[in-house]
Amino acid sequence: GAGVSQSPSNKVTEKGKDVELRCDPISGHTALYWYRQRLGQGLEFLIYFQGNSAPDKSGLPSDRFSAERTGESVSTLTIQRTQQEDSAVYLCASTPRGRLDADTQYFGPGTRLTVL
Amino acid sequence: QKEVEQDPGPLSVPEGAIVSLNCTYSNSAFQYFMWYRQYSRKGPELLMYTYSSGNKEDGRFTAQVDKSSKYISLFIRDSQPSDSATYLCAMRQTNFGNEKLTFGTGTRLTIIP
Repeated sequence: GAGVSQSPSNKVTEKGKDVELRCDPISGHTALYWYRQRLGQGLEFLIYFQGNSAPDKSGLPSDRFSAERTGESVSTLTIQRTQQEDSAVYLCASTPRGRLDADTQYFGPGTRLTVL
Repeated sequence: QKEVEQDPGPLSVPEGAIVSLNCTYSNSAFQYFMWYRQYSRKGPELLMYTYSSGNKEDGRFTAQVDKSSKYISLFIRDSQPSDSATYLCAMRQTNFGNEKLTFGTGTRLTIIP
């Protein structure tokens, strides 16, 4: 079946512009996570959705970052007034029960964001 | 100090060798421990998952957790060129609502044919 998909796969933008990154989770998965991976770094947690509510937003680095989710479906991560330090790969993951659990592979391929 | 420390490598070993990858952590609340493999320009894929201390084996892969030392390991036996990737350790707490994973920086591994 289809895995987690993300779009666009690559995004190049100018400093100060807004960007929207999209994640389509696996159908029926209730939980969705956004992570950021900077060059040579591990994944940093950004935000977690259970359904369309976000119990944990603690990883969002500033108020320029926001995310929303429609039901148990698509999520959009928005970065306003982008800065060069926002350049990274943004990864989305989904799970059926709110836990990144065993025996599953639920990460999307990521969106590579470059801010010039 | 980061909550999870992982040597970024790079690590190069000849084909057929045993590979040992390690992470240390500082948060004693971590209960679930995972290893992910990430190929270049791909998302991470889950390799191994262990709850609390102990060993788990799956084919050529063995994961070990030593909670007393706050140390986890991944061993790869009979390494193959297709094992060349970045290996990320990850861990999380058990308490409800705190579902996020904390990752190490990843170790870049190359298996030389």
